[in-house]
This record gives sequence, structure tokens and C-alpha cells, in this order.
Amino acid sequence: KAGVTQTPRYLIKTRGQQVTLSCSPISGHRSVSWYQQTPGQGLQFLFEYFSETQRNKGNFPGRFSGRQFSNSRSEMNVSTLELGDSALYLCASSLGDYPYEQYFGPGTRLTVT
Amino acid sequence: QKEVEQNSGPLSVPEGAIASLNCTYSDRVSQSFFWYRQYSGKSPELIMSIYSNGDKEDGRFTAQLNKASQYVSLLIRDSQPSDSATYLCAVPVIGTGTASKLTFGTGTRLQVML
Repeated sequence: KAGVTQTPRYLIKTRGQQVTLSCSPISGHRSVSWYQQTPGQGLQFLFEYFSETQRNKGNFPGRFSGRQFSNSRSEMNVSTLELGDSALYLCASSLGDYPYEQYFGPGTRLTVT
Repeated sequence: QKEVEQNSGPLSVPEGAIASLNCTYSDRVSQSFFWYRQYSGKSPELIMSIYSNGDKEDGRFTAQLNKASQYVSLLIRDSQPSDSATYLCAVPVIGTGTASKLTFGTGTRLQVML
């Protein structure tokens, strides 16, 4: 079974720009979660989508948004990029119910200059 | 109190020794617990899941869960240099009626020395 895929793998953007990241979950998985990982803060939960609905949300500003399509693929968008948004963005795929095992994609490394 | 706590390390063990990694959690109603391994520059990889009190073994890895004391541990037997990585403990946290949000510890960096 194919794993979680994320595109693009690397991205360099300028402050003030916006960016869209894409995630394709494991076939049959209906839940996609997004995380931000930085050396200082570790893995921080952004949001989770299940069957096209945002089911859980972390403590990030409204500049961070996401959506999920009917085929379970998900996108996250960051508007008005700031230097502090430089991070590894990870998406994780899950069946969406107990026991909530999540499988991560390779991540998108975003650098904001 | 943090929801999931781990010692950041580094934990250094000689090749062939047992590495013991510990994690405590604050939510008493948590029902599933996960260990992820993350190599530098890579994404986390799920290596162990445990749901019941006691031990669960998978190859050289053993996860131990004690719900009364709210801790979960990971033992790595016959440690190899390839085990050198950061190990993340993760616990689903109840939110908006579901436990679909995973909360991660900060991770313990393991170094296996030749």
C-alpha cells in the first residue's frame, strides 16, 4: 500500500507571500492531520480534517488554514508568511477513529526569507 | 504540567546494551499510546503502539504501559548504531468529542556508541 505523499518537498518563499502545501493520505484513510515542527517548539498540531470537515484545531493564527477534498486529499495554506513560519510541515494520515494511529508523510521543508 | 513529558537526553548507550526511554502523560482517560522514531532530517515513523497495561514486544522493541502511574516506556534491546535517532512519545488527546489530536512529547535523543 502506498504511503503518505506530500508536495512539494522543499519550498522557499519571501515574507508576505502565501503558500499551499498538499498531502495525499494512505488509501482508505479519511483523516489527515497537519503538524508544524521546529527545533524550538517540537511537533505542534495545526488541525485535523475528517471527511472534508475540520474536526480538531490547534493554537495557530488564522493565517494557517486547510481543507480536505472528497478523495481525502488535503491542502494547507499559510498566508502572509512570516520568518517564524520556517519549519517542517508534516501531514499524517489515519483511519480517523480509535486507536488513532497516524502515519506521517515525508514533510515539506518551508523556508521563509 | 505538560500533557506529554519526556527527557530530552541525549541518552547514550553502548552498542548491544538496552536503551530505556520513558514518557509520562497527564490525561488519565487516554487509551492509546504511540512511539515514533525520527531520524535527523526525516519525518516521524510509527514503531510501536500500545493500548493495554503491561508489555508489548515487537522484535528488539518492547513498549510498557502503566496507566495507574501514567507512564509509558520503550525498551530497545541489543541497541545498534542505526537506532540512533530521536524517539517521540505520542498520546491522543480528547478534543471536540474525539481523540484525534495527537500530542507529542519533545522527544528523547538516543545515541548508540560503537
